[in-house]
Amino acid sequence: EVQVVESGGGLVKPGGSLRLSCATSGFIFSGWTMDWVRQAPGKGLEWVSSISSSNSYINYADSVKGRFTISRDNAKNSLYLQMNSLRVEDTAVYYCARDHGSGSYGRMDVWGQGTTVTVSS
Amino acid sequence: DIQMTQSPSSLSASVGDRVTITCRASQSISSYLNWYQQKPGKAPKLLIYGASSLQNGVPSRFSGSGSGTDFTLTISSLQPEDFATYYCQQSYSIPMYTFGQGTKLEIK
Repeated sequence: EVQVVESGGGLVKPGGSLRLSCATSGFIFSGWTMDWVRQAPGKGLEWVSSISSSNSYINYADSVKGRFTISRDNAKNSLYLQMNSLRVEDTAVYYCARDHGSGSYGRMDVWGQGTTVTVSS
Repeated sequence: DIQMTQSPSSLSASVGDRVTITCRASQSISSYLNWYQQKPGKAPKLLIYGASSLQNGVPSRFSGSGSGTDFTLTISSLQPEDFATYYCQQSYSIPMYTFGQGTKLEIK
């Protein structure tokens, strides 16, 4: 079964740091672009960051650029999001998603259940 | 940045109704438009990609159309499990994706 499972969310104070993880199984992780997408409470979806299969391309939304770092470990079939200098507005459910990339309309076809990050003093 | 605007923001309909949701891009995105369904407390689910291609396993009552700046998602005959929030997503400016604000489909 194709699966992605996020972990690492929690409560953190403004200015603090958190590292999210996404464990994958059921597909050849090293061959896929992966994304982080977030959803603030009661709000819509916001793309956060993408990383290509071989780390060749890494991109961030302007709202997190310079504060968040996406990475992957293909040997461990895992995706990560290091979040520094967290702000109240980063409070959201963070989803990990598999991305088909530019050759197939950038569709995200496998999503995890999400991990909740709350930034509050 | 490419902005995506969905209409309506919310919609009430009955089981069996035909429903259409619209998504408009701030510039031409060719057919780089995907649709997702999200139920409360759950992850989004891919329904349509490339504006009109049905994702594997998605019922055929869902269809998508459009190109350029104007797109539609149509549900031909609403089922009880279709009441959810729907999002469009542009993937023209890969990977700087943007989503529409969502359309909440409620039971009348």
